[in-house]
Amino acid sequence: NAGVMQNPRHLVRRRGQEARLRCSPMKGHSHVYWYRQLPEEGLKFMVYLQKENIIDESGMPKERFSAEFPKEGPSILRIQQVVRGDSAAYFCASSVGREDIQYFGAGTRLSVL
Amino acid sequence: GENVEQHPSTLSVQEGDSAVIKCTYSDSASNYFPWYKQELGKGPQLIIDIRSNVGEKKDQRIAVTLNKTAKHFSLHITETQPEDSAVYFCAASISFNKFYFGSGTKLNVKP
Repeated sequence: NAGVMQNPRHLVRRRGQEARLRCSPMKGHSHVYWYRQLPEEGLKFMVYLQKENIIDESGMPKERFSAEFPKEGPSILRIQQVVRGDSAAYFCASSVGREDIQYFGAGTRLSVL
Repeated sequence: GENVEQHPSTLSVQEGDSAVIKCTYSDSASNYFPWYKQELGKGPQLIIDIRSNVGEKKDQRIAVTLNKTAKHFSLHITETQPEDSAVYFCAASISFNKFYFGSGTKLNVKP
């Protein structure tokens, strides 16, 4: 049973470009969470999604960031017009249900030049 | 919102000694407290968790204690081994929807 799969593992973008991060949850999991981790810091919650629905996006910046979890396919975290401050590790987690353990992927490390 | 503080930020112990990491939280409504271990270049891995209706939980060399009145919880690792070296994060959750993480403790176990 494969774990949470994130790709790419490393992503380099120039300022102003778009970044697309993908997350495939564990088999049987329908809840996905995105977190951001700055160097030497803990993870900060960004958004919680179920299939086709955003449940809680209270941690998402109001501009340039969006997330989706379509009926088919992986969850996507999209960052438009990236800036240097977006450089971080982005982790996805998934769970079976609303009150279940979250399992994390290995993360995508975004570097903005 | 919830605020989780974690201490110490770094901890160095000799192999075989015990390690204790402490966290405090601010929102008394928090009811779920997981601990994660993160190795370099990897995602966080759940090592133990505790719910608010329990005061202590143990799994082999790892234990977690929770004091709801004081709003703090601790991770205890006994008989530490070099492979325990990693960054450990505590977290608190009110509704499982989102976790509030501490800033992490870098544990170094010296052989």
